[in-house]
Amino acid sequence: GAVVSQHPSRVICKSGTSVKIECRSLDFQATTMFWYRQFPKQSLMLMATSNEGSKATYEQGVEKDKFLINHASLTLSTLTVTSAHPEDSSFYICSARVGRGPTEAFFGQGTRLTVV
Amino acid sequence: GQNIDQPTEMTATEGAIVQINCTYQTSGFNGLFWYQQHAGEAPTFLSYNVLDGLEEKGRFSSFLSRSKGYSYLLLKELQMKDSASYLCAALDSNYQLIWGAGTKLIIKP
Repeated sequence: GAVVSQHPSRVICKSGTSVKIECRSLDFQATTMFWYRQFPKQSLMLMATSNEGSKATYEQGVEKDKFLINHASLTLSTLTVTSAHPEDSSFYICSARVGRGPTEAFFGQGTRLTVV
Repeated sequence: GQNIDQPTEMTATEGAIVQINCTYQTSGFNGLFWYQQHAGEAPTFLSYNVLDGLEEKGRFSSFLSRSKGYSYLLLKELQMKDSASYLCAALDSNYQLIWGAGTKLIIKP
């Protein structure tokens, strides 16, 4: 299957700083990537849909000024958590699908963010 | 609204069989996925059903009934490594994935 690489896998940052998470599709072009957040014992919560060359579409309740998404190329999307707070500590996962039809989602390895 | 329901937690014995159910209500339907997620890891694809019936893939099988809005994942010959969360996700008319909350499966020796 297609490979999605996410980096870093773990990051600890101080409250008030910003953290950037990268998501790359290694062997296919992803016109659309998805960013999820998952709190312990909960399901995946879609934060935003990242479209190459255009602005991301954010889900209701997700602050677009806090979670900056950039999809500069067909193989790279980044999520920047700005002015991080302890409540932003979570597991962030990106995924991509090949094409728009009934295709499976391929996931990055996830990033465990801890804000202290 | 769109909704996916699956049990929160199930317990089974090593070597046994377990069935994890999932019911869905979506705006249109373009298929149903099952994913496995071990703690602290990203989900991995298990199966995709779009037609009614049973799809078998080794120890894992997945069933779909579109008329009932129902699917199940059947795991046979359970192994300790099968302890994980199992996520059900339906693809709506816009090809958006709608995720269930996941079923945590605990395997006991």
